[in-house]
Amino acid sequence: AQSVTQLDSHVSVSEGTPVLLRCNYSSSYSPSLFWYVQHPNKGLQLLLKYTSAATLVKGINGFEAEFKKSETSFHLTKPSAHMSDAAEYFCVVSGSSGYALNFGKGTSLLVTP
Amino acid sequence: DSGVTQTPKHLITATGQRVTLRCSPRSGDLSVYWYQQSLDQGLQFLIQYYNGEERAKGNILERFSAQQFPDLHSELNLSSLELGDSALYFCASSVSGRLDTQYFGPGTRLTVL
Repeated sequence: AQSVTQLDSHVSVSEGTPVLLRCNYSSSYSPSLFWYVQHPNKGLQLLLKYTSAATLVKGINGFEAEFKKSETSFHLTKPSAHMSDAAEYFCVVSGSSGYALNFGKGTSLLVTP
Repeated sequence: DSGVTQTPKHLITATGQRVTLRCSPRSGDLSVYWYQQSLDQGLQFLIQYYNGEERAKGNILERFSAQQFPDLHSELNLSSLELGDSALYFCASSVSGRLDTQYFGPGTRLTVL
């Protein structure tokens, strides 16, 4: 079964410092991986998507993620955090059928002034 | 704004009742997905429809059912409601199906008292 594990349930950074949100995946084949963000009382917004093209994926709002097959990881990074980045972040893998999405438990990012 | 609309935004009802949640996909999208987000279970895939037909099924209870209409909007019916059904229900849509990017609506918050 395809699954993801988000290694931190909460991450706190200061504004202007780098962000690292960690995600490991488990998949029996080459997966499609996503990062979604959920701001308070809002829906889910796609940050970026990996589908076996370039291993370094650039997303919106300065976020990027690197697919590392040897480490089965898909960590999300941003060079400099902004207050507006405070939200819940979900690492997601496509299910075996390719239709359903399997979500991680989420990482809550807090950005302090 | 993803282009996916969901109504109502909030729904408060009593145990044993039945409710209907509605979703309109983005223009041109043929697939609709339903997800449930709860504190204990996280985000879980419920069911997918493609052009009016059920395509994939996840952790959907027998008390729950869904359908997609000829105009491609979808409804999720929840019956014999229990306290544990209180959750945020998301609808997502995509162009066709397999490995597509899914765009999420703002969700319907269901509270069962």
